[in-house]
Amino acid sequence: QVQLQESGPGLVKPSETLSLTCSVSGGSVSSAGNYWSWIRQPPGKGLEWIGYIYYIGTIKYNPSLKSRVTISVDTSKNQFSLKLSSVTAADTAIYYCARDSRAATALDYWGQGTLVTVSS
Amino acid sequence: QSALTQPASVSGSPGQSITISCTGTSSDVGDYNYVSWYQQHPGKAPKLMIYDVSNRPSGVSSRFSGSKSGNTASLTISGLQAEDEADYYCSSYTGSGTYVAFGGGTKLTVL
Repeated sequence: QVQLQESGPGLVKPSETLSLTCSVSGGSVSSAGNYWSWIRQPPGKGLEWIGYIYYIGTIKYNPSLKSRVTISVDTSKNQFSLKLSSVTAADTAIYYCARDSRAATALDYWGQGTLVTVSS
Repeated sequence: QSALTQPASVSGSPGQSITISCTGTSSDVGDYNYVSWYQQHPGKAPKLMIYDVSNRPSGVSSRFSGSKSGNTASLTISGLQAEDEADYYCSSYTGSGTYVAFGGGTKLTVL
């Protein structure tokens, strides 16, 4: 059973960089066919896809966030990470990491999510 | 504004069937058979219910089914149960643009 767990600061100041890590257990970030994804959800609102990374280096980002987002993978730690720069209050959201087994939105395993608030 | 359009809310009584629509364009829903549906209970992470328009992951009840016609995908829940009350989101692959789009979500109320 694949399990994912997000970790990182719950409070980030405006203009700074949001950094989150997703630890994967019960599966490998290096396994073929799995795309490791980030999704966010502002409080009380809908879901927004941020992007995904495939262990060989393929990365896709939501164009609306592309200039500020970096997703990376650390195969030695079986983790992948999200960095979002120049954050504003609009970036306040629950951030989820998830596994996409189809590279086209079959997000079949999710972390529990972590709330990140952008505030001074 | 979400790329895919869903009704804000639907409701039904236990035992009934309901259908939630998800309308996109010829560049996403209409062009690819990569529509997924997610169920989200309050305070919980979303759960994949349908992928590739009509496929159910292992463990998902057969009461959940998906279909697509043109630019509109649909999720049907038959034999409604109280535990089905949740928010439901559709998503679609969009190709080289946004890449992945979600609908705005539909709140299902079981009366």
